[in-house]
Amino acid sequence: QVQLVQSGAEVKKPGASVKISCKASGYTFTNYAMHWVRQAPGQRLEWMGWINAGNGNTKFSQKFQGRVTITRDTSASTAYMELNSLRSEDTAVYYCARGRGEKPFDYWGQGTLVTVST
Amino acid sequence: DIQMTQSPSTLSASVGDRVTITCRASQSISSWLAWYQQKPGIAPKLLIYTASTLESGVPSRFSGSGSGTEFTLTISSLQPDDFATYYCQQYSSYSLGTFGQGTKVEIK
Repeated sequence: QVQLVQSGAEVKKPGASVKISCKASGYTFTNYAMHWVRQAPGQRLEWMGWINAGNGNTKFSQKFQGRVTITRDTSASTAYMELNSLRSEDTAVYYCARGRGEKPFDYWGQGTLVTVST
Repeated sequence: DIQMTQSPSTLSASVGDRVTITCRASQSISSWLAWYQQKPGIAPKLLIYTASTLESGVPSRFSGSGSGTEFTLTISSLQPDDFATYYCQQYSSYSLGTFGQGTKVEIK
């Protein structure tokens, strides 16, 4: 069965970077895109960007352009999201989600809580 | 960027009620609209995509309609498991994946 398993919770200081992994199983990793979505406490879901796991092409929300990097390791069926220059407003649960064509995010990771605090 | 606006923000209903949630896009998104259900502390679950296609395994009491800029999610007979927050999402444009602000369905 399809599973997306994310790395564990992180606590970071302002200005630091965080890198979260999302390991996929149960499907052909390179046939799908992997998206990253975050949710701050009590807030709406916020799309950050995605990677075409086949060719490595990426697109980002303008809000995060220049501060986020999304990569993948096809040999490990794993996608990564790195967010730089962290600030308190980046405290959120970060999700990876699989998507392709007319069907958007049909499987989601369990979420990774990132806390940014002094 | 395309903005998505849901109404109402909160809805109080009883088991067995028919419930309708509306989502409006700031510009036409054709039928590139999805609906998700989210419960506290759990990742969202895809319910409907391309505005009206029911995801596999989702109960038939859920339905979606609309195109262009106005869309609705209907639950024909609310069940105890349906009390949750519902989000619409457009996925038509470069600003891919914009979500609405959510509609919390509460027990009346």
